[in-house]
Amino acid sequence: EAQVTQNPRYLITVTGKKLTVTCSQNMNHEYMSWYRQDPGLGLRQIYYSMNVEVTDKGDVPEGYKVSRKEKRNFPLILESPSPNQTSLYFCASSLWGTGGGSYNEQFFGPGTRLTVL
Amino acid sequence: GNSVTQMEGPVTLSEEAFLTINCTYTATGYPSLFWYVQYPGEGLQLLLKATKADDKGSNKGFEATYRKETTSFHLEKGSVQVSDSAVYFCALRGTGGFKTIFGAGTRLFVKA
Repeated sequence: EAQVTQNPRYLITVTGKKLTVTCSQNMNHEYMSWYRQDPGLGLRQIYYSMNVEVTDKGDVPEGYKVSRKEKRNFPLILESPSPNQTSLYFCASSLWGTGGGSYNEQFFGPGTRLTVL
Repeated sequence: GNSVTQMEGPVTLSEEAFLTINCTYTATGYPSLFWYVQYPGEGLQLLLKATKADDKGSNKGFEATYRKETTSFHLEKGSVQVSDSAVYFCALRGTGGFKTIFGAGTRLFVKA
């Protein structure tokens, strides 16, 4: 089954304790992205990647890091989490051609609910 | 920069009522427009899309037309069902496809 998986699905942690949320897709997609969802704000893009070793900032990258060492995986790293990073996080992937990816739908994971105390 | 404005919810309708959820955008270049739906406890899934002006996307009875002259992409359905209750997001994927901007989402409740 084609899917995007995220782990963990739920996480409660404390301020300053480094954490990683994993994301993996089995559709051989070049493009992957992380979003956070907050009430009244919709989804906001954190980071994206067009291929292995190619990443760039979205609209809200502060406090986050990513890496893309393999095509299928795109982990999100919070090196020193703070309470304002409490949110629902989604990973997504899509095809990406030589002409870009504007036309392509994104496939979303089930979400990771993070609480930082 | 690019932006998406979506009508605020929640929207509450009776079964078989007509649905419109307004979405307007500002963008440079040639973006593609999408509607995604989120059911409780799940991730987003594509409902429909349109990739150029005057395109109409349609799926499961939902429709939306990419109107460049009014910078709009309103979602419509002629007769909603209880199973359509969900949160609907309008989204714009910019030229080149690097970034995506989402609206705030509109929660729809359909009563039997």
